Amino acid sequence: GIQVEQSPPDLILQEGANSTLRCNFSDSVNNLQWFHQNPWGQLINLFYIPSGTKQNGRLSATTVATERYSLLYISSSQTTDSGVYFCAVRPINAGNNRKLIWGLGTSLAVNP
Amino acid sequence: DGGITQSPKYLFRKEGQNVTLSCEQNLNHDAMYWYRQDPGQGLRLIYYSQIVNDFQKGDIAEGYSVSREKKESFPLTVTSAQKNPTAFYLCASSPQGTGELFFGEGSRLTVL
Repeated sequence: GIQVEQSPPDLILQEGANSTLRCNFSDSVNNLQWFHQNPWGQLINLFYIPSGTKQNGRLSATTVATERYSLLYISSSQTTDSGVYFCAVRPINAGNNRKLIWGLGTSLAVNP
Repeated sequence: DGGITQSPKYLFRKEGQNVTLSCEQNLNHDAMYWYRQDPGQGLRLIYYSQIVNDFQKGDIAEGYSVSREKKESFPLTVTSAQKNPTAFYLCASSPQGTGELFFGEGSRLTVL
Protein backbone atom coordinates (compact mmCIF):
# COMPACT_ATOMS: atom_id res chain seq x y z
CA GLY A 1 0.00 0.00 0.00
CA ILE A 2 0.89 3.65 -0.17
CA GLN A 3 3.57 4.94 2.20
CA VAL A 4 3.51 8.42 3.73
CA GLU A 5 6.72 9.82 5.19
CA GLN A 6 7.02 13.10 7.04
CA SER A 7 10.19 14.98 7.81
CA PRO A 8 11.70 16.08 10.03
CA PRO A 9 10.22 14.00 12.86
CA ASP A 10 11.06 16.71 15.40
CA LEU A 11 11.75 20.40 15.08
CA ILE A 12 12.61 23.11 17.60
CA LEU A 13 12.35 26.76 16.58
CA GLN A 14 12.86 30.12 18.16
CA GLU A 15 9.81 32.35 17.95
CA GLY A 16 9.87 34.33 14.72
CA ALA A 17 11.74 31.71 12.69
CA ASN A 18 10.46 30.14 9.49
CA SER A 19 10.24 26.42 8.78
CA THR A 20 9.34 23.91 6.10
CA LEU A 21 7.75 20.54 6.80
CA ARG A 22 7.73 17.86 4.15
CA CYS A 23 5.38 15.01 3.28
CA ASN A 24 6.43 12.38 0.72
CA PHE A 25 4.02 9.77 -0.57
CA SER A 26 4.73 6.70 -2.64
CA ASP A 27 1.74 6.65 -5.01
CA SER A 28 -0.65 9.01 -6.76
CA VAL A 29 -3.23 10.66 -4.53
CA ASN A 30 -6.47 12.56 -5.01
CA ASN A 31 -6.70 13.90 -1.47
CA LEU A 32 -4.00 15.38 0.71
CA GLN A 33 -4.58 17.21 3.95
CA TRP A 34 -2.37 18.91 6.52
CA PHE A 35 -3.50 18.94 10.14
CA HIS A 36 -2.19 20.57 13.30
CA GLN A 37 -2.71 18.75 16.58
CA ASN A 38 -2.46 21.24 19.42
CA PRO A 39 -1.16 20.33 22.89
CA TRP A 40 -4.73 19.62 24.04
CA GLY A 41 -5.12 16.97 21.36
CA GLN A 42 -7.48 18.75 19.01
CA LEU A 43 -6.83 18.18 15.31
CA ILE A 44 -7.24 21.30 13.23
CA ASN A 45 -7.70 21.02 9.49
CA LEU A 46 -5.06 23.33 7.97
CA PHE A 47 -5.21 22.65 4.26
CA TYR A 48 -6.99 20.40 1.81
CA ILE A 49 -4.42 20.43 -0.99
CA PRO A 50 -4.23 17.49 -3.42
CA SER A 51 -2.33 19.78 -5.79
CA GLY A 52 -1.22 23.38 -6.15
CA THR A 53 -0.53 26.06 -3.58
CA LYS A 54 -2.67 27.59 -0.87
CA GLN A 55 -2.04 30.21 1.76
CA ASN A 56 -3.76 31.00 5.03
CA GLY A 57 -2.13 33.76 7.01
CA ARG A 58 1.38 32.76 8.07
CA LEU A 59 0.89 29.23 6.77
CA SER A 60 1.07 28.05 3.22
CA ALA A 61 1.23 24.68 1.51
CA THR A 62 2.32 23.37 -1.85
CA THR A 63 1.66 19.93 -3.29
CA VAL A 64 3.53 18.73 -6.36
CA ALA A 65 1.40 15.71 -7.18
CA THR A 66 3.54 14.57 -10.12
CA GLU A 67 6.59 14.35 -7.85
CA ARG A 68 4.61 12.97 -4.90
CA TYR A 69 5.39 15.44 -2.18
CA SER A 70 3.83 18.29 -0.26
CA LEU A 71 5.41 21.08 1.75
CA LEU A 72 3.97 23.07 4.63
CA TYR A 73 5.56 26.45 5.27
CA ILE A 74 5.29 28.21 8.60
CA SER A 75 6.53 31.78 8.62
CA SER A 76 7.22 33.98 11.63
CA SER A 77 6.47 31.08 13.96
CA GLN A 78 4.65 31.68 17.24
CA THR A 79 4.48 29.59 20.40
CA THR A 80 0.90 28.70 19.51
CA ASP A 81 2.23 26.89 16.43
CA SER A 82 3.65 24.21 18.73
CA GLY A 83 2.19 20.74 18.40
CA VAL A 84 2.26 17.93 15.90
CA TYR A 85 1.68 18.41 12.18
CA PHE A 86 0.21 15.49 10.29
CA CYS A 87 -0.05 14.84 6.59
CA ALA A 88 -2.75 12.42 5.38
CA VAL A 89 -3.45 11.22 1.84
CA ARG A 90 -5.98 9.16 -0.08
CA PRO A 91 -4.61 6.98 -2.90
CA ILE A 92 -6.07 7.66 -6.31
CA ASN A 93 -6.74 3.95 -6.77
CA ALA A 94 -8.83 3.72 -3.58
CA GLY A 95 -12.08 3.87 -5.54
CA ASN A 96 -15.02 4.70 -3.26
CA ASN A 97 -12.98 4.05 -0.13
CA ARG A 98 -12.42 7.39 1.57
CA LYS A 99 -9.97 6.05 4.14
CA LEU A 100 -6.93 8.31 4.59
CA ILE A 101 -3.38 7.07 5.06
CA TRP A 102 -1.49 9.02 7.72
CA GLY A 103 2.11 10.02 8.21
CA LEU A 104 3.67 9.80 11.66
CA GLY A 105 3.79 13.57 12.05
CA THR A 106 6.34 16.29 12.72
CA SER A 107 6.52 17.42 16.32
CA LEU A 108 7.18 21.18 16.47
CA ALA A 109 8.18 23.15 19.54
CA VAL A 110 8.40 26.93 19.25
CA ASN A 111 10.29 28.55 22.10
CA PRO A 112 9.65 32.16 23.20
CA ASP B 1 -22.51 26.61 14.88
CA GLY B 2 -21.66 23.77 12.52
CA GLY B 3 -19.30 21.16 13.78
CA ILE B 4 -18.59 17.80 15.30
CA THR B 5 -19.37 17.22 18.97
CA GLN B 6 -17.84 14.42 20.95
CA SER B 7 -18.85 13.50 24.47
CA PRO B 8 -17.75 12.96 27.08
CA LYS B 9 -14.37 14.71 26.84
CA TYR B 10 -12.96 12.64 29.69
CA LEU B 11 -14.16 9.23 30.82
CA PHE B 12 -12.98 6.76 33.41
CA ARG B 13 -14.12 3.18 33.47
CA LYS B 14 -13.34 0.04 35.37
CA GLU B 15 -11.94 -2.99 33.64
CA GLY B 16 -14.64 -5.23 32.24
CA GLN B 17 -17.13 -2.44 31.58
CA ASN B 18 -18.39 -1.38 28.20
CA VAL B 19 -18.44 2.33 27.46
CA THR B 20 -20.03 4.28 24.62
CA LEU B 21 -18.53 7.45 23.17
CA SER B 22 -20.86 9.84 21.40
CA CYS B 23 -20.16 11.64 18.13
CA GLU B 24 -22.67 14.00 16.54
CA GLN B 25 -22.21 16.22 13.48
CA ASN B 26 -24.43 18.89 11.98
CA LEU B 27 -22.33 19.42 8.84
CA ASN B 28 -24.56 17.17 6.73
CA HIS B 29 -21.53 15.00 5.97
CA ASP B 30 -22.08 11.53 4.59
CA ALA B 31 -19.04 9.79 6.02
CA MET B 32 -17.97 9.46 9.64
CA TYR B 33 -14.90 7.91 11.21
CA TRP B 34 -13.47 6.83 14.54
CA TYR B 35 -9.75 7.00 15.20
CA ARG B 36 -7.65 5.97 18.15
CA GLN B 37 -4.45 7.75 19.22
CA ASP B 38 -2.00 6.49 21.82
CA PRO B 39 0.56 8.81 23.48
CA GLY B 40 3.24 9.94 21.04
CA GLN B 41 1.68 7.98 18.21
CA GLY B 42 -0.20 8.70 15.02
CA LEU B 43 -3.85 7.98 14.30
CA ARG B 44 -5.24 4.51 13.69
CA LEU B 45 -8.64 3.94 12.10
CA ILE B 46 -11.12 1.90 14.11
CA TYR B 47 -14.32 2.03 12.04
CA TYR B 48 -15.81 4.20 9.35
CA SER B 49 -19.20 4.67 7.78
CA GLN B 50 -19.84 6.12 4.35
CA ILE B 51 -23.65 6.04 4.51
CA VAL B 52 -26.39 5.45 7.04
CA ASN B 53 -26.85 1.83 8.15
CA ASP B 54 -23.49 0.81 6.71
CA PHE B 55 -20.01 0.75 8.24
CA GLN B 56 -16.65 -0.92 7.65
CA LYS B 57 -13.87 -2.09 9.91
CA GLY B 58 -10.71 -0.07 9.93
CA ASP B 59 -7.27 -1.25 10.93
CA ILE B 60 -7.95 -1.94 14.64
CA ALA B 61 -11.66 -2.83 14.94
CA GLU B 62 -11.29 -5.70 17.42
CA GLY B 63 -12.94 -4.92 20.74
CA TYR B 64 -15.00 -2.05 19.33
CA SER B 65 -18.49 -1.74 17.87
CA VAL B 66 -20.36 1.06 16.10
CA SER B 67 -23.78 1.88 14.70
CA ARG B 68 -24.97 4.41 12.12
CA GLU B 69 -28.72 4.70 12.46
CA LYS B 70 -28.78 8.42 11.67
CA LYS B 71 -26.64 10.51 9.36
CA GLU B 72 -25.73 12.84 12.22
CA SER B 73 -24.63 10.23 14.73
CA PHE B 74 -21.89 7.59 14.88
CA PRO B 75 -21.45 6.26 18.45
CA LEU B 76 -18.50 4.03 19.33
CA THR B 77 -18.71 1.34 22.00
CA VAL B 78 -15.48 0.21 23.60
CA THR B 79 -16.22 -3.29 24.82
CA SER B 80 -14.59 -5.32 27.56
CA ALA B 81 -12.95 -7.35 24.79
CA GLN B 82 -10.66 -4.43 23.97
CA LYS B 83 -7.44 -5.31 25.80
CA ASN B 84 -5.88 -1.85 25.98
CA PRO B 85 -8.72 0.65 25.82
CA THR B 86 -6.96 3.59 27.49
CA ALA B 87 -6.43 6.06 24.66
CA PHE B 88 -7.55 9.28 23.02
CA TYR B 89 -10.49 8.73 20.66
CA LEU B 90 -11.17 11.07 17.77
CA CYS B 91 -14.30 11.23 15.65
CA ALA B 92 -14.26 12.78 12.19
CA SER B 93 -16.59 13.37 9.28
CA SER B 94 -16.22 14.19 5.61
CA PRO B 95 -18.53 15.30 2.80
CA GLN B 96 -19.12 13.41 -0.37
CA GLY B 97 -16.86 14.52 -3.17
CA THR B 98 -13.59 15.79 -1.72
CA GLY B 99 -13.56 13.56 1.33
CA GLU B 100 -11.95 16.41 3.27
CA LEU B 101 -11.78 15.33 6.90
CA PHE B 102 -12.90 17.40 9.90
CA PHE B 103 -12.41 16.34 13.52
CA GLY B 104 -14.17 16.66 16.83
CA GLU B 105 -12.29 17.62 19.98
CA GLY B 106 -11.74 14.05 21.10
CA SER B 107 -12.61 11.86 24.08
CA ARG B 108 -9.96 10.69 26.50
CA LEU B 109 -10.75 7.27 27.97
CA THR B 110 -8.89 5.92 30.98
CA VAL B 111 -9.43 2.40 32.26
CA LEU B 112 -8.69 1.99 35.94
